[in-house]
Amino acid sequence: AIQLTQSPSSLSASVGDRLTITCRASQAIGDDLAWFQQRPGKPPKLLIFAASNLHIGVPSRFSGSGSGTDFTLTISGLRPEDFATYYCLQDHNYPRTFGHGTKVEVK
Amino acid sequence: VQLQQMGGGLLKPSETLSLTCAVYGGSLNNFNWIWIRQSPVKGLEWIGEINHLGGTKYNPSLERRVSISIDTSKSQFSLRLTSVHAADTAVYYCARGGIAPLLYWGQGTPVTVSS
Repeated sequence: AIQLTQSPSSLSASVGDRLTITCRASQAIGDDLAWFQQRPGKPPKLLIFAASNLHIGVPSRFSGSGSGTDFTLTISGLRPEDFATYYCLQDHNYPRTFGHGTKVEVK
Repeated sequence: VQLQQMGGGLLKPSETLSLTCAVYGGSLNNFNWIWIRQSPVKGLEWIGEINHLGGTKYNPSLERRVSISIDTSKSQFSLRLTSVHAADTAVYYCARGGIAPLLYWGQGTPVTVSS
């Protein structure tokens, strides 16, 4: 199975900050990577698919980039509602696999 | 599209977990219907999926114990996990796959395995 390594596992930030979260795949997956946001007690919410495609309704401060094995999620101008945990998912091969998450906390 | 989960709760070791996900507001055709679980130990784990024709894919780590079925007439799909043990304790989610992956999710069902 393809392993996804997310970093950092957690970070502290302030409103207005620019954040970058990385996801590295154990083998090349083209652009078959998605990013999700999860708040406590809720299911994950799709932000970006196919590495860089912003899902409809997701604010433009979220962006994704990368291909092959290295991917990034960037939040430009952190908002209070963005404090949450973020996960990457590869849908290149079966079994689908997730990263272990990056928790964004208030500094 | 809404996904409504049913089943789950408290199970004893060796029992069988059965969950159903009802799909409202959309067709089952042309999508994959997925089960995922989440625990503090393993994080998010893809269990398996089924398409509207009944074709399935399972996580090899669970393949001997898991089966997913679909009933298009009732607009629902189901998960069955046999011989559960403590490591199967998790929140279980159903979801819809597609070009936009995992766009729709069920509300999540906590499952606890304990004697």
